[in-house]
Amino acid sequence: GENVEQHPSTLSVQEGDSAVIKCTYSDSASNYFPWYKQELGKGPQLIIDIRSNVGEKKDQRIAVTLNKTAKHFSLHITETQPEDSAVYFCAALGGGSYIPTFGRGTSLIVHP
Amino acid sequence: DSGVTQTPKHLITATGQRVTLRCSPRSGDLSVYWYQQSLDQGLQFLIQYYNGEERAKGNILERFSAQQFPDLHSELNLSSLELGDSALYFCASSVAERAEAFFGQGTRLTVV
Repeated sequence: GENVEQHPSTLSVQEGDSAVIKCTYSDSASNYFPWYKQELGKGPQLIIDIRSNVGEKKDQRIAVTLNKTAKHFSLHITETQPEDSAVYFCAALGGGSYIPTFGRGTSLIVHP
Repeated sequence: DSGVTQTPKHLITATGQRVTLRCSPRSGDLSVYWYQQSLDQGLQFLIQYYNGEERAKGNILERFSAQQFPDLHSELNLSSLELGDSALYFCASSVAERAEAFFGQGTRLTVV
């Protein structure tokens, strides 16, 4: 089955800096890669996703890039703000699997 | 608000007991997923239903079972509870398989 590795497990940045979270996947047939943000005490919230037919997608301060050859994808957050502090999960889906497989999460801390 | 409703939000019960967690998917969503999130753990997939039928099983214990009803709401039954079953249990729904999944706020289960 699919295996998703996510790094780093913790990321601490100053407000205004950029943050990058990286994930690798094992199943070359995976074709859908969502990112979720989980704030304390809440459920994961879908923030951006990318499909395998594009290499990059942006939504305001958030962008996701996908390298199918290397089987990795990354979340980029620019001009970070304290409210960006949360746990971020990547996931991969597709091929023979109907089930999103999640990375172990990255705890992002943005210091004011 | 994702549109996925989970009840109850919190549940405290004793070892050996049985509980039922309930999930109402977003309007129009046919697929329901159940995930377990323990402290410092990622999202562990338990089971998926699509339009009333079980579609996939993850690392779900035999003491746990689930079903999806004709109105598409789902229930997760946990029996012979152990201390280690204490966790957040999330339900997610999607309109179709391999589509964006939206999570509920979760049920926090504490077994004492």
